[in-house]
Amino acid sequence: AQSVSQHNHHVILSEAASLELGCNYSYGGTVNLFWYVQYPGQHLQLLLKYFSGDPLVKGIKGFEAEFIKSKFSFNLRKPSVQWSDTAEYFCAVNTGDTGGFKTIFGAGTRLFVKA
Amino acid sequence: GAVVSQHPSRVICKSGTSVKIECRSLDFQATTMFWYRQFPKQSLMLMATSNEGSKATYEQGVEKDKFLINHASLTLSTLTVTSAHPEDSSFYICSAPNPGTVRNEQFFGPGTRLTVL
Repeated sequence: AQSVSQHNHHVILSEAASLELGCNYSYGGTVNLFWYVQYPGQHLQLLLKYFSGDPLVKGIKGFEAEFIKSKFSFNLRKPSVQWSDTAEYFCAVNTGDTGGFKTIFGAGTRLFVKA
Repeated sequence: GAVVSQHPSRVICKSGTSVKIECRSLDFQATTMFWYRQFPKQSLMLMATSNEGSKATYEQGVEKDKFLINHASLTLSTLTVTSAHPEDSSFYICSAPNPGTVRNEQFFGPGTRLTVL
């Protein structure tokens, strides 16, 4: 069965610091990869997604992620965080095949950006 | 973009009552929908896969008699929490893959916050 692991449960950064959140998945077949953000009291929003092609994916709000197939990783990055990036970030995977496209989420990383 | 709605957005009920949550795909048809539960400060846990025209498929550990799922049409799935108890209080989120998109991209509803007193 597929699984998703996020290495950092809590991250605290100062504004303008660079961000990298780790995500590893376990599944041997074709995967679709996602990063979602959930701001306090709000619902999930899609930050970016990877289906195929260029492994460096750019998303909204200055976020990007790199798919490294050999490492089963899909780490999220942002060169300079802002106070408004304080939120919880979820990495997610679905198999994109006859597995029914059900999406499995990582445990989440809670980011707090100090002003 | 594709939209998935949920109703109600919030519900408060007494222990022992049943609560129905609706999930609708507003501009596409979905033969499959997914139901998730998110406890406070935790991740989304997949509960079940709702299948139009057939029985839902439940994840391990999810009681099918407690969480009744009905996929009534190609745009509507309902989750009924039967005989709700305080431990069922949670945020319930549905999603639906849009067959008109690349790799059947999933779209998530805004969620329903259930509070059982």
